[in-house]
Amino acid sequence: AQKVTQAQTEISVVEKEDVTLDCVYETRDTTYYLFWYKQPPSGELVFLIRRNSFDEQNEISGRYSWNFQKSTSSFNFTITASQVVDSAVYFCALSVLSGSARQLTFGSGTQLTVLP
Amino acid sequence: GAGVSQSPSNKVTEKGKDVELRCDPISGHTALYWYRQRLGQGLEFLIYFQGNSAPDKSGLPSDRFSAERTGESVSTLTIQRTQQEDSAVYLCASSFTLAGSSYEQYFGPGTRLTVT
Repeated sequence: AQKVTQAQTEISVVEKEDVTLDCVYETRDTTYYLFWYKQPPSGELVFLIRRNSFDEQNEISGRYSWNFQKSTSSFNFTITASQVVDSAVYFCALSVLSGSARQLTFGSGTQLTVLP
Repeated sequence: GAGVSQSPSNKVTEKGKDVELRCDPISGHTALYWYRQRLGQGLEFLIYFQGNSAPDKSGLPSDRFSAERTGESVSTLTIQRTQQEDSAVYLCASSFTLAGSSYEQYFGPGTRLTVT
């Protein structure tokens, strides 16, 4: 079975601070995919990134960056110079290729509040 | 292009009644998923459709839940004899599929179901 743990339930930062959201996953599959989604107050989930288990290169997209470390089964997400609009719930998710479905196993989410 | 759409956006029903929720996936996406999100929690996988293959129903919580999909288009999720614990947001997602890979899922806005 797959499991995703987001130990930080809530984080509050002041605008322009950097913040890192932690994600730890568990799977016995050797091929898997990791995702991050953002759920703003409006409620609709927004896809941020997809990473496969064979690609450990870190990725940067504007103020967002992701650090994938297979050795610690972690896929952490950093927002640099946070903004009020970054306030949302962020979900980390895992998908494996065994079985017929490619359903996402989600963590419980981290509520990020960026204060002005 | 158009995203995933769901209807109704809100549904209030009395305990014991049946409800039907609808999802229109992104055109060209062969995979369709239903998830449930209870208040303040992550998403739970319910069911998966892929083309004309038999659906993966492994996430359905009870036999009161069922879903159908017509080809690669609209899907309906039906909950019979609703219970108060069925109150949640029901999210639909769609994605491309390719053997040996797992693509990001695009989510609809959800249907908020309240059982009184």
